[in-house]
Amino acid sequence: ETGVTQTPRHLVMGMTNKKSLKCEQHLGHNAMYWYKQSAKKPLELMFVYSLEERVENNSVPSRFSPECPNSSHLFLHLHTLQPEDSALYLCASSQEGTGTGGYTFGSGTRLTVV
Amino acid sequence: DQQVKQNSPSLSVQEGRISILNCDYTNSMFDYFLWYKKYPAEGPTFLISISSIKDKNEDGRFTVFLNKSAKHLSLHIVPSQPGDSAVYFCAASDVGSARQLTFGSGTQLTVLP
Repeated sequence: ETGVTQTPRHLVMGMTNKKSLKCEQHLGHNAMYWYKQSAKKPLELMFVYSLEERVENNSVPSRFSPECPNSSHLFLHLHTLQPEDSALYLCASSQEGTGTGGYTFGSGTRLTVV
Repeated sequence: DQQVKQNSPSLSVQEGRISILNCDYTNSMFDYFLWYKKYPAEGPTFLISISSIKDKNEDGRFTVFLNKSAKHLSLHIVPSQPGDSAVYFCAASDVGSARQLTFGSGTQLTVLP
């Protein structure tokens, strides 16, 4: 496997469920990100992990909880979500310090909250 | 307040003609700009970038122009091909934010055969 892999590709969950999104990068990058893409809105940065240390976006509700066990894996734990949380959740990675700022994105998880 | 704005949600262009996608930014600290392309059901992929020390960067059919005084950049695609139909995101970063990217809302480009 190469690049950034996200699973599952699609997820439907009820508001009382608990689920997790998984992201894995095979690029040797030292930073990983969670983004939310809602229809006709900019990509919204949710969380950043740099060298496995979390840099948090304070506007993210606590029903979203990230976890970065190592530099290659990133999780987003979901619980008691709302229908407005339905969106495409994108994981990305980058190599900080290279000066290019380029990210490699996964294909995303399409989340529907019912 | 959106720091990176793409004011045109959609653009249609005839095959073979030029596509021009525009992006404006408000943060004068931004010094690196990127364009990403996104097909449905896929993540965005990096297309082309430009540093603030330049005003033009070219890569094949794709050219990015940067006007720092106007805080404006544009992506030119010449000639446009049907396979270029996708959503194009403009993004910007600065050293102060540890190179985290700030994205625009995207422009849906449709190239008509």
